[in-house]
Amino acid sequence: DTGVSQDPRHKITKRGQNVTFRCDPISEHNRLYWYRQTLGQGPEFLTYFQNEAQLEKSRLLSDRFSAERPKGSFSTLEIQRTEQGDSAMYLCASSGLRGIPLDQETQYFGPGTRLLVL
Amino acid sequence: AQKITQTQPGMFVQEKEAVTLDCTYDTSDPSYGLFWYKQPSSGEMIFLIYQGSYDQQNATEGRYSLNFQKARKSANLVISASQLGDSAMYFCAMRGALTDSWGKFQFGAGTQVVVTP
Repeated sequence: DTGVSQDPRHKITKRGQNVTFRCDPISEHNRLYWYRQTLGQGPEFLTYFQNEAQLEKSRLLSDRFSAERPKGSFSTLEIQRTEQGDSAMYLCASSGLRGIPLDQETQYFGPGTRLLVL
Repeated sequence: AQKITQTQPGMFVQEKEAVTLDCTYDTSDPSYGLFWYKQPSSGEMIFLIYQGSYDQQNATEGRYSLNFQKARKSANLVISASQLGDSAMYFCAMRGALTDSWGKFQFGAGTQVVVTP
């Protein structure tokens, strides 16, 4: 399977705990995105990497959130001191296949990590 | 600021019939791309179709077609010959050259489609 993978698929945690999610993009892709989706809503952008550089962060990404992509391959999203409002689906997507014009790039999404904060 | 609006929260459609999902957008970007994704109950977002703002022809991809009306700022998705497997949430998304640097997507709130036998 050469699609985007995310781990874990589900996470239940208690308020105040730290959680970390992992995303493995499609290997040929150099761009990686994190989105958050709450029930009944469309995904909202959190942050974006090109190779290992974090190029953009949303205002949604509070100080408790941090994302890394240390070697330009997989990425991690950490939430510190989780709150009940952090309960959501966290989606990772990748893009950047060589030869495709930038404006036509499609983002390919992983299955997401469902987080429930009790 | 850019905005995507999907006014239909939910729709029922009979198998084998066509259905049109509405999407309007607001942007000051001179160049942008419009995308439709399908999200089944499993949660994964599946790419369906893309339309560039300078494309002269409406995009088509199998049973999916995009009715692009640039002056009206609408990009409606048409699903022909609906199948039971088309039951899912459908999202319209946009990405601009200047606003988003061809990076992040802005998504609408989605339309839930239920296909009945």
